[in-house]
Amino acid sequence: DAKTTQPPSMDCAEGRAANLPCNHSTISGNEYVYWYRQIHSQGPQYIIHGLKNNETNEMASLIITEDRKSSTLILPHATLRDTAVYYCIVRNRPWGAGNMLTFGGGTRLMVKP
Amino acid sequence: DAGVTQSPTHLIKTRGQQVTLRCSPKSGHDTVSWYQQALGQGPQFIFQYYEEEERQRGNFPDRFSGHQFPNYSSELNVNALLLGDSALYLCASSSRDRGYTFGSGTRLTVV
Repeated sequence: DAKTTQPPSMDCAEGRAANLPCNHSTISGNEYVYWYRQIHSQGPQYIIHGLKNNETNEMASLIITEDRKSSTLILPHATLRDTAVYYCIVRNRPWGAGNMLTFGGGTRLMVKP
Repeated sequence: DAGVTQSPTHLIKTRGQQVTLRCSPKSGHDTVSWYQQALGQGPQFIFQYYEEEERQRGNFPDRFSGHQFPNYSSELNVNALLLGDSALYLCASSSRDRGYTFGSGTRLTVV
């Protein structure tokens, strides 16, 4: 699985959009980009994933560049409850059994009032 | 619908002892993976169980072993505990067409 690079920490004002970048310059054509977050003292929580098209769900939007070497997770209206560590993961299976998730250090997002 | 359940939530053990952690997967999931998360770091993959067999293993010593039961629940066993084994142990369940769901973890402290 391709390696990812994320900034170690970011701040965001409550109510504003939080844009979390991820670099995955060695991604291959069949690899998906996943985002998880981990709120303090809880297990990681799935947010969104995509292959090459932009994706949106009730939690967030995922923007993947045309060359697929980087992506951005967007939380459109951040709240204090979005304070967490966000992990960007690249893997070659869309779901389920098989390969493990390889976590890096993630980005610690602090949403401030 | 219950998610992934792990027990116990917290545990204190003495160096050299053995510990068993338990995980019940989410309904409909048949695969269980275990991760170790040291303080301030991302989770590290230990191993994965499917059809009661270890299917994949990360870079962990043989002191770490596991088991999956016919009802898909799983146990993680760690022998000869070291101080460095202190961590949050996470269980994640999944299936072919359903993504990973993580439990809240077991916090193990080795003293």
